[in-house]
Amino acid sequence: GENVEQHPSTLSVQEGDSAVIKCTYSDSASNYFPWYKQELGKRPQLIIDIRSNVGEKKDQRIAVTLNKTAKHFSLHITETQPEDSAVYFCAASKDQKLVFGQGTRLTINP
Amino acid sequence: DGGITQSPKYLFRKEGQNVTLSCEQNLNHDAMYWYRQDPGQGLRLIYYSQIVNDFQKGDIAEGYSVSREKKESFPLTVTSAQKNPTAFYLCASSALRGQGGYTFGSGTRLTVV
Repeated sequence: GENVEQHPSTLSVQEGDSAVIKCTYSDSASNYFPWYKQELGKRPQLIIDIRSNVGEKKDQRIAVTLNKTAKHFSLHITETQPEDSAVYFCAASKDQKLVFGQGTRLTINP
Repeated sequence: DGGITQSPKYLFRKEGQNVTLSCEQNLNHDAMYWYRQDPGQGLRLIYYSQIVNDFQKGDIAEGYSVSREKKESFPLTVTSAQKNPTAFYLCASSALRGQGGYTFGSGTRLTVV
């Protein structure tokens, strides 16, 4: 089955700097890669997603890149703000069943 | 609540007791899922259902049971066979074809007392 590895497990950046979180997946047939943000005690919220026929997608300060050959995908957050502090999860799926990474706790330092 | 409602928000279970977590959605989604989240860890799939009256085991189904008698509802029972049930349980739903993204409920925090 699919296996998703996510790094780093914790990330601390200065406000205004960029943050990058990386994931690898094992099943080359996976074709959908969402990213979720989870604040403490709350539900995960979809922030951006990408499909396997696209290499990059942007939404304001957030971007996701996908390298199908290497089976890597990454989340990029630019101009970080205190409200970006949360746990971020990547996921991969091929048949509507998502397999999640272990999560990255992102802390934005003022 | 974004169209998917979990109840209760907090639940306490005694040793040897079965408890049922509710999940209801009004998004007309075909597929529904149950995930377990332990502190500092990712989401692990317990059960999922892509159609009424059918469901499949996920990676950690032992000690859990589900039913899918209606499209809108996917309750999860945590049985006494689940030895370490204390966790945060998340229900999610998705459209079956092409849409991809999950909508999550607000979660149930289960504690064994």
